[in-house]
Amino acid sequence: AQSVAQPEDQVNVAEGNPLTVKCTYSVSGNPYLFWYVQYPNRGLQFLLKYITGDNLVKGSYGFEAEFNKSQTSFHLKKPSALVSDSALYFCAVRDWTNAGKSTFGDGTTLTVKP
Amino acid sequence: DGGITQSPKYLFRKEGQNVTLSCEQNLNHDAMYWYRQDPGQGLRLIYYSQIVNDFQKGDIAEGYSVSREKKESFPLTVTSAQKNPTAFYLCASSGSHEQFFGPGTRLTVL
Repeated sequence: AQSVAQPEDQVNVAEGNPLTVKCTYSVSGNPYLFWYVQYPNRGLQFLLKYITGDNLVKGSYGFEAEFNKSQTSFHLKKPSALVSDSALYFCAVRDWTNAGKSTFGDGTTLTVKP
Repeated sequence: DGGITQSPKYLFRKEGQNVTLSCEQNLNHDAMYWYRQDPGQGLRLIYYSQIVNDFQKGDIAEGYSVSREKKESFPLTVTSAQKNPTAFYLCASSGSHEQFFGPGTRLTVL
């Protein structure tokens, strides 16, 4: 079985400060990990992924995430937050032994205040 | 949202009615998915299809049905057996790794 946990329902940061949105996962094999962002009443947009290789992956809009196998974590980070980053963020894990199905976390609402 | 279209954007259903949500993709992806999104519950998988003419139940398939007659299309029917269908429905497709999502359909039961 595979699972994802996003321990924080909400994250609040000031504009210009660094942000972190946390994600931990559980899979039986090697994980494929993803971050998506959702704006109100819209579909999800892909931000970045970890498949293999470098543990630090860079994605869209200045976001990056670090894969930590020992802590089974894949936290999303950005050095300097923008008000426009305010949205709902989902972490997902995909296990290719499970017919390629993704399991999504419950989401974290990020609010960046001016 | 590029490459995947969903229609309609808003849909209203009366008690006892079946309704069909459309999902079309032009990304040449083999895999397609339907998710339901409720506030505070993330995305829950309804049905998925890895190839034309084949599909599997997800975690919450009861009260829903799908078909996959064409690679580009994966319509979802919400039947009268689904007792609480009011939600935001998202369709997605996938090539090798990440999923691409449509803009969603918001279904409301009157």
